[in-house]
Amino acid sequence: NAGVTQTPKFRILKIGQSMTLQCTQDMNHNYMYWYRQDPGMGLKLIYYSVGAGITDKGEVPNGYNVSRSTTEDFPLRLELAAPSQTSVYFCASVGTGTYEQYFGPGTRLTVT
Amino acid sequence: KQEVTQIPAALSVPEGENLVLNCSFTDSAIYNLQWFRQDPGKGLTSLLLIQSSQREQTSGRLNASLDKSSGRSTLYIAASQPGDSATYLCAVIGGNYGQNFVFGPGTRLSVLP
Repeated sequence: NAGVTQTPKFRILKIGQSMTLQCTQDMNHNYMYWYRQDPGMGLKLIYYSVGAGITDKGEVPNGYNVSRSTTEDFPLRLELAAPSQTSVYFCASVGTGTYEQYFGPGTRLTVT
Repeated sequence: KQEVTQIPAALSVPEGENLVLNCSFTDSAIYNLQWFRQDPGKGLTSLLLIQSSQREQTSGRLNASLDKSSGRSTLYIAASQPGDSATYLCAVIGGNYGQNFVFGPGTRLSVLP
């Protein structure tokens, strides 16, 4: 199993550009999550999904969108990038029944 | 709303010491509690998962305990090594379906050789 994979690893965006952060898991987990982590800060939940076709907002959803068309994939879309979205983005999935969370390696995004 | 705190925020110890990291949460209605390690510039690595029915879990030199009634968990690291230097985060798992993860801010540990 590859676990949770994220692409790209790094990205620099100009203000106003858009992009999609990809997240894929091969563990057949229903629950998936997107977090952002600012320097020296904790994790903040952006969006989560409890299964294909079901998504819900977390603590900081503004400026982001998600979709969950398959169990494996949970992409995060940034529209009209702003400097405040400069952060490290982590995707995670949760084991069914165990509720143990597995993280991807992260995407480091800079908006200038 | 569940709130999670971790004390201390940072800790520096000489190699070989035993140490305890603390995690407190405000709502005792939880499914599980999970401890993670994060190295600088890296993702989170799961260390231990304690289910709500358990009191503790052990893995090698790590031992985590859970006291739901008092809203506390501790991570005990025995015979610390420089390689243990990292940030340690706890996450409390709750919600109607176990879908809510609330993270503490972390404890930054430095083990000096």
